[in-house]
Amino acid sequence: EVQLVESGGGLVQPGGSLRLSCAASGFTFSSYEMNWVRQAPGKGLEWVSYISSSGNTIYYADSVKGRFTISRDNAKNSLYLQMNSLGAEDTAVYYCARELERRHYYFDFWGQGTLVTVSS
Amino acid sequence: EIVLTQSPATLSLSLGERATLSCRASQSVGSSLAWYQQRPGQAPRLLIYDASNRATGIPARFSGSGSGTDFTLTISSLEPEDFAVYYCQQRSIWPPSFGGGTKVEIK
Repeated sequence: EVQLVESGGGLVQPGGSLRLSCAASGFTFSSYEMNWVRQAPGKGLEWVSYISSSGNTIYYADSVKGRFTISRDNAKNSLYLQMNSLGAEDTAVYYCARELERRHYYFDFWGQGTLVTVSS
Repeated sequence: EIVLTQSPATLSLSLGERATLSCRASQSVGSSLAWYQQRPGQAPRLLIYDASNRATGIPARFSGSGSGTDFTLTISSLEPEDFAVYYCQQRSIWPPSFGGGTKVEIK
């Protein structure tokens, strides 16, 4: 069974940093592209970042470029999102999402999400 | 950036009724459109990709159609578990983007 389990969310002050993790199981993690997608409270979905299966290709939404860093450790079946210079606009549930095989940017499995709250 | 506009914002229907949800793109996305279902407190679930292909395990009562700028998700006969928020998403033009959602609620 495919499972994605996020962790690392919490309350952080404006300007602070947080590192999210996503533990994958039930599939060959190293074969899949992965993404982070976020959802502000009561709002819609926003794509945040992409990383290729090898980790060599990375993309970011303009809203987080220069502040967030996506990475992965295929030996540990884990995906990460380092978030710096956080602002209130980053408050959201952050989901890690697996891409549908051979279909970039369609997301066929999602974790349960981890809530990041940026507030003083 | 492609803007996806979903309508209506809320759809009030009864069990067994047919639901028709619309998604309009600000420019053509070809057939590169997906639909997701999100139940309260849960993660989104992929229903349809490439406008009309059902994802693995998705019941046949869900169908998608359209191309270019106008797309439709149809639920042929609403079951209790179908009352949720539905999002469309395009991947044709970077960055990938989502619509604002349509809430299907029980009438």
